[in-house]
Amino acid sequence: SAVISQKPSRDICQRGTSLTIQCQVDSQVTMMFWYRQQPGQSLTLIATANQGSEATYESGFVIDKFPISRPNLTFSTLTVSNMSPEDSSIYLCSVELAGGYEQYFGPGTRLTVT
Amino acid sequence: EDQVTQSPEALRLQEGESSSLNCSYTVSGLRGLFWYRQDPGKGPEFLFTLYSAGEEKEKERLKATLTKKESFLHITAPKPEDSATYLCAVQDANDYKLSFGAGTTVTVRA
Repeated sequence: SAVISQKPSRDICQRGTSLTIQCQVDSQVTMMFWYRQQPGQSLTLIATANQGSEATYESGFVIDKFPISRPNLTFSTLTVSNMSPEDSSIYLCSVELAGGYEQYFGPGTRLTVT
Repeated sequence: EDQVTQSPEALRLQEGESSSLNCSYTVSGLRGLFWYRQDPGKGPEFLFTLYSAGEEKEKERLKATLTKKESFLHITAPKPEDSATYLCAVQDANDYKLSFGAGTTVTVRA
């Protein structure tokens, strides 16, 4: 497995502002992903963070709203831009290690937009 | 499109009362089916991967099984610390992303 940390763990933000969430892994990984978990809901994939190139977004998610960076094999950021109360969710990063298909998740960032 | 349906939505058990959770899925080609445990306010914790029908995995009081259409997570003689939401996810053989079910919230009373 891998040790995954996220910063911040939680934040309360005003509408119209942006928040950048960091994800750090303790070892080099092949794949990194960002998910959203809305209150009482299951996990929805936002995008795959590609190292050194643009992220691959799922249907319903766009780069202008959720810009993602992945400068190396152990670090990624997700920005939630121009936030509205509907963006209040838990944001999770996950990684897939070489040699396996299971994903390991970070502790999550709980975002509340007022 | 991959679909994952979990039942029941919630399960309340007495300590020691064994039960099973169901995960039915539709996928064009299954690469793997995954079970996770999620505690309130935390990220999902990986439990098992199942790759083919007939496969079984065990970990302490948990046992996961797989058929061509569904998976079961059996909880034997549960304890209060087994209380959590259990999530099922599938990965299509042609893709890398996980499609998650809505989860089953298990509460075990002492």
